[in-house]
Parts: sequence; structure tokens; C-alpha cells
Amino acid sequence: GNSVTQMEGPVTLSEEAFLTINCTYTATGYPSLFWYVQYPGEGLQLLLKATKADDKGSNKGFEATYRKETTSFHLEKGSVQVSDSAVYFCALSDRGSSYKLIFGSGTRLLVRP
Amino acid sequence: DTGVSQDPRHKITKRGQNVTFRCDPISEHNRLYWYRQTLGQGPEFLTYFQNEAQLEKSRLLSDRFSAERPKGSFSTLEIQRTEQGDSAMYLCASSLDQREQYFGPGTRLTVT
Repeated sequence: GNSVTQMEGPVTLSEEAFLTINCTYTATGYPSLFWYVQYPGEGLQLLLKATKADDKGSNKGFEATYRKETTSFHLEKGSVQVSDSAVYFCALSDRGSSYKLIFGSGTRLLVRP
Repeated sequence: DTGVSQDPRHKITKRGQNVTFRCDPISEHNRLYWYRQTLGQGPEFLTYFQNEAQLEKSRLLSDRFSAERPKGSFSTLEIQRTEQGDSAMYLCASSLDQREQYFGPGTRLTVT
């Protein structure tokens, strides 16, 4: 079945450091891929998405490229801020009839001043 | 557009009691999803509605769980005879067709 695997956290970085959170997936067909972010005490927010191979999603300085050959969708940011501290979830959309989301287990990011 | 709302935000109940949660999706969205999230894990799909029709249910959704979406607007999720293992965050999301899903703040259920 379809699945998503994320690197385990927590990831601890200093402000202005470079961020990479790895995400790989297993899927039949060609799913859409997403990154969601969950700030402390808040709900899931869509951060970025990509719907086909080689698409790059970007938002708020974060980027991720849909790599079909490596079945990956790694999240990157060039310079993190304290306010980026949150839990990040990689997900794929199951292109059956429901398009339900299948999530990874999440990666907690802690950015220190 | 006020986003997806859920009520209540927190619910504490005793084992064996019934609970009901409500989700109000974004008004023009025809699809509505329920997910469950336990501590340290990603959300897991429970069920999906397109308009008022419930079209898919996960094996996670035991017969103690029932969901409805009358008139294709708000949805309710009921858990009968709650068990401690039901303690989790219950998330609702909505979308327009197969576009991206937008999530509500969730209902945190604690079964004592």
C-alpha cells in the first residue's frame, strides 16, 4: 500500500542554519505530494504542494521538489528562524476515489536563537 | 471564508460514555474528511464524504464509530461506548473536489 517515511526528529538548529527534512514515499500511480506544518497548539496548515514529477512547491522560504526517480520530496529552507519551530508532516494524496491523505509520522524542528 | 471549524476543542469523558464531535467545513467545499492523530504520529484517515454521501471508511473505523454529513454541509462523528484507546486528536478537513485539503483545529478527546 501507499506510505510515507520521514526522518525522525527532533531536528535542532541554530537560527539562520540550513534545513533539510527528508521524505520518501511508496505509491502506486502518481500521487500529489504535500508538506503540512503544525505549530504548537494549532491545527495542520498546508505549507506547500507538488502535483507531478519535477514540480517544485514553495512557500515562506520553504521548497520541495517532487523527485519521481528517487520517490522523494525533501523539505528545504535556506535560513531558518525561531518562528519555524513546529512539527512538519510529509503527505501524499491517494488518487483513488477519495484522495485521502497518507501522512508520515512528522518531524519536530526546534530552532534556537 | 472562516476556515474549517470544529467543536468542541476538548472533550474529557469517562470510559463507556458516548461522545459526538462536529465539523463545519469551508462553505463551498464538497469533500469532507475525518482523521485521527495520536501523540507523536501523523494523522490517519478515518472516513470521507462527498457532499452527503459517505464514500470510504477506514478499517480503523470500528462499528462503535459513526459519521454523518446531512445535507452535505456540517458533519458529525460519534463514538459509542468510548474506550481509553479512543483518546486522540480528531481532525476534520475539507476540500473542493480533489484539490488540497484544509484542516480544522481538531477536537482533543481524553477518555478516563
